[in-house]
Amino acid sequence: NAGVTQTPKFQVLKTGQSMTLQCAQDMNHNSMYWYRQDPGMGLRLIYYSASEGTTDKGEVPNGYNVSRLNKREFSLRLESAAPSQTSVYFCASRWQSEKLFFGSGTQLSVL
Amino acid sequence: DQQVKQNSPSLSVQEGRISILNCDYTNSMFDYFLWYKKYPAEGPTFLISISSIKDKNEDGRFTVFLNKSAKHLSLHIVPSQPGDSAVYFCAASAGGGTSYGKLTFGQGTILTVHP
Repeated sequence: NAGVTQTPKFQVLKTGQSMTLQCAQDMNHNSMYWYRQDPGMGLRLIYYSASEGTTDKGEVPNGYNVSRLNKREFSLRLESAAPSQTSVYFCASRWQSEKLFFGSGTQLSVL
Repeated sequence: DQQVKQNSPSLSVQEGRISILNCDYTNSMFDYFLWYKKYPAEGPTFLISISSIKDKNEDGRFTVFLNKSAKHLSLHIVPSQPGDSAVYFCAASAGGGTSYGKLTFGQGTILTVHP
């Protein structure tokens, strides 16, 4: 049982490049989330999908887009990467309870 | 504006003693509070939670206390073990069940438990 799987684990981009962070969960959870973690700031919500077919903005959505491809997969896209998007990105999912299940993260550096 | 604050960046405790991690919040709309634990190179894992209608919740060695009037919660770990060494995040949500996953996190406290 893999839980929440994120790819890639590490990525280095140049300013202006684009990329997509992939996330898949095998727990049949309805809701999925993207958070970013920056030093000294805890985790902040970027986007979320309460159920298949819906997406909504979180606290820090600027510069990102998301796609809920199906119930399992929720991707995060950076169209034109900026150094301010250097961060560790976590995908998470949940069923009905308050518990979020997190992936192991993607460490992204934008030069 | 940091709505959830963990003012102690780090805490060092001897094995077998009590660890107390603190968290303060400013948003009175928060109605659910959680603690997550994070090891290096891993995602956070859920530890324990408490609803605003309670003032205490216990799960094994872990107890969370909520003081709504002071807008303060704390996590007690008794007894502390070296395997508890990790970063602990306090988090809060507002608006009931549909908002559970929309969390506001504190900055985290690094707990080190010495053998």
